[in-house]
Amino acid sequence: DIQMTQSPSSLSASVGDRVTITCRASQGISNYLAWYQQKPGKVPKLLIYAASTLQSGVPSRFSGSGSGTDFTLTISSLQPEDVAIYYCQKYNSAPWTFGQGTKVEIK
Amino acid sequence: EVQLVESGGGLVQPGGSLRLSCAASGFTVSSNYMSWVRQAPGKGLEWVSVIYSGGSTYYADSVKDRFTISRDNSKNTVYLQMNSLRAEDTAVYYCASATRGGSSRAFDYWGQGTLVTVSS
Repeated sequence: DIQMTQSPSSLSASVGDRVTITCRASQGISNYLAWYQQKPGKVPKLLIYAASTLQSGVPSRFSGSGSGTDFTLTISSLQPEDVAIYYCQKYNSAPWTFGQGTKVEIK
Repeated sequence: EVQLVESGGGLVQPGGSLRLSCAASGFTVSSNYMSWVRQAPGKGLEWVSVIYSGGSTYYADSVKDRFTISRDNSKNTVYLQMNSLRAEDTAVYYCASATRGGSSRAFDYWGQGTLVTVSS
């Protein structure tokens, strides 16, 4: 099975900072990659699908890139409401594995 | 408006069984990919199972041969039958749907989740 590895596991940044989270697949998955945001005590929310397409209603400070095995989620200007855990997920074929998550905090 | 409502969670003894339900509204479950995702207390998201629009089903290794996903098209509902439950199955179980096709087929809708606790 394809493994999904996120880095870092956690980060702390200041409001307004540019934040980048990476996700690496152990084998190529084309662009079948999604990013989800889960705020404390809340349901996961789809941010980006097809590696780089922003889900409707998601602020434009979020962006995704990559294809094949290496992907990134970027928050161009970190806001207090972005405190959350971010997960990548592959969905090219089963199993639809999630990464282990990246916890984003405000410094 | 698309809505997913899970039910059926609760406390069950190790070795017991439970059936979760996910009632959908605003779209047709049989035309979309429907999945279950779980989250153990304080842990990350774990994909559990999926049923494709064509009826094919797939499972995580951790639940294979113990869990069964199915759907009732007349009720627009997806189920997860969980047998031989273990303490490590304790989690919030989310129902999720992928309503777009191809490379856009991520989980765009999620239910609120139902808690399953396996304990004696």
